[in-house]
Amino acid sequence: EAQVTQNPRYLITVTGKKLTVTCSQNMNHEYMSWYRQDPGLGLRQIYYSMNVEVTDKGDVPEGYKVSRKEKRNFPLILESPSPNQTSLYFCASSLKSPRTGYEAFFGQGTRLTVV
Amino acid sequence: TQLLEQSPQFLSIQEGENLTVYCNSSSVFSSLQWYRQEPGEGPVLLVTVVTGGEVKKLKRLTFQFGDARKDSSLHITAAQPGDTGLYLCAGSNAGNMLTFGGGTRLMVKP
Repeated sequence: EAQVTQNPRYLITVTGKKLTVTCSQNMNHEYMSWYRQDPGLGLRQIYYSMNVEVTDKGDVPEGYKVSRKEKRNFPLILESPSPNQTSLYFCASSLKSPRTGYEAFFGQGTRLTVV
Repeated sequence: TQLLEQSPQFLSIQEGENLTVYCNSSSVFSSLQWYRQEPGEGPVLLVTVVTGGEVKKLKRLTFQFGDARKDSSLHITAAQPGDTGLYLCAGSNAGNMLTFGGGTRLMVKP
């Protein structure tokens, strides 16, 4: 079954304690991205990657890091989490079609609380 | 940053009513997508429109892309409780992948 898998689904952590949210896709997609979703602000892109070893900042990259060492994995790293990073996070992978552009397949989300 | 504005933000209707959700931008997009997100889940792609003026139908849902490819609408006929969810539009262009609107939260009461 084609899917994007995020782990963990829920995480409560303390300020300053480094954490990693994993994301893996089994569709051989080149493009992957991370979003955060906050009430009233919609989905905002944090980072994206167009291929292995190629990453770029989205709209809200501050406080986050990513890496793309393999095509299937795109972990999100918070080196020193702060309470304003409490949010619902989604990983997505995409194929780019010449006709339809990017069509995203999303993971089930990771609800992060930083206290 | 390219912005997409959706309206209304919230919509609560009775089963059987019709509704329209709008997605507007000052930017031109090469394609526009609609997603539906249910509580506790990630967004799921419903449709992609690519040509100005294009109309696509998915059962009781009708999607239209504006002639200038800056706006789109989603019309639901005879809404059902199963249509309840968050509807998101997203514009696609080269480089930065997808830009999402703020979403329309729809509740359909039985």
